[in-house]
Amino acid sequence: DGGITQSPKYLFRKEGQNVTLSCEQNLNHDAMYWYRQDPGQGLRLIYYSQIVNDFQKGDIAEGYSVSREKKESFPLTVTSAQKNPTAFYLCASEWKGASGANVLTFGAGSRLTVL
Amino acid sequence: GQQLNQSPQSMFIQEGEDVSMNCTSSSIFNTWLWYKQDPGEGPVLLIALYKAGELTSNGRLTAQFGITRKDSFLNISASIPSDVGIYFCAGRPRAGGTSYGKLTFGQGTILTVHP
Repeated sequence: DGGITQSPKYLFRKEGQNVTLSCEQNLNHDAMYWYRQDPGQGLRLIYYSQIVNDFQKGDIAEGYSVSREKKESFPLTVTSAQKNPTAFYLCASEWKGASGANVLTFGAGSRLTVL
Repeated sequence: GQQLNQSPQSMFIQEGEDVSMNCTSSSIFNTWLWYKQDPGEGPVLLIALYKAGELTSNGRLTAQFGITRKDSFLNISASIPSDVGIYFCAGRPRAGGTSYGKLTFGQGTILTVHP
């Protein structure tokens, strides 16, 4: 089945360590996104990429980094510079809906906990 | 950035009751999307709206794109226990240039259904 796969589902990290969250899609979508979700808040955009080898900062990019070397893959690295990294991270890709407007398809998420 | 006000923040209802939630924006939107998120999972698209005044149904769900283009509502009829979850609205503002870009998400409505 086509879809978006995020891994790992759960990740524990010690303070000061970098971690990388994987996001792979086989939907042949051009654009991919990373969002952060905290309790009681909406989804906040970290980074997005419209095409391979190109990406832009979202609203809360500080302390994060990404790469887009392949169309199918958009990994997110949470660096030690991110002051409050414990959160639920969602990856999404973009497809055109019935009327041509783009909608997002999400992965199942990765929960990162900093110990 | 864009602001979306989603209300109510939470709802506790009995099975069989109808539910209504809405989102308002300070700006004009071209697209309204409604997502549902089950606990520990990624959001799943319920309904996409592309035209002012558009009314769309998906089973027991009905959503409308407000005439002013600044609001949308979602109704759920005859709620069942599996309707439990977080419901998010998302809007894409009218802007020039590429239609790629940033959806703005509401803060979510947490729905609890008592059997």
